[in-house]
Amino acid sequence: AQSVAQPEDQVNVAEGNPLTVKCTYSVSGNPYLFWYVQYPNRGLQFLLKYITGDNLVKGSYGFEAEFNKSQTSFHLKKPSALVSDSALYFCASGYSTLTFGKGTMLLVSP
Amino acid sequence: DTAVSQTPKYLVTQMGNDKSIKCEQNLGHDTMYWYKQDSKKFLKIMFSYNNKELIINETVPNRFSPKSPDKAHLNLHINSLELGDSAVYFCASSPMTGDGELFFGEGSRLTVL
Repeated sequence: AQSVAQPEDQVNVAEGNPLTVKCTYSVSGNPYLFWYVQYPNRGLQFLLKYITGDNLVKGSYGFEAEFNKSQTSFHLKKPSALVSDSALYFCASGYSTLTFGKGTMLLVSP
Repeated sequence: DTAVSQTPKYLVTQMGNDKSIKCEQNLGHDTMYWYKQDSKKFLKIMFSYNNKELIINETVPNRFSPKSPDKAHLNLHINSLELGDSAVYFCASSPMTGDGELFFGEGSRLTVL
């Protein structure tokens, strides 16, 4: 079974500062991990995924995520936040079907 | 040119009614899904179809019945609507089962009064 946890309901960051949105996973076997973003009143959009290989995964809109096996984490990061990054971010895991975390609202202030 | 399109976008109805939500994808994907997002934004898989065949059916009341006439369409029919069915229902597709990269529709917001 695969599951993920997002410990933060909300993350606040000032524009231009680096951002991190946290995700930890609990899986048996090799984890398949994903990040999605949801803008208000829109469907989810795929950002990036980790299946195997490099621990640092680069995705859309300048986002990246680091797979850390010892800490069972897959945190989403961006070096310099934009106001337009404000959205709801979901971590997910799974193979044949995805199990989503509860979501973390990212608010980037000007 | 919408990749995954759902209709209707909004649906307001009375308890006890029957309603359907339609989904179409023009991406040529083999796998389609229905997800439910509740008022707390929690997302839960409901059904998954691969090439018109049901492959995942989570614990969902049997009032919910998916139908896939072809691999580009996955419709959701709900009988005897209840207040707790109020949610946003998302259709999604992926190139194959296990790919993990899902393409979502814009959602259909169902409100049951």
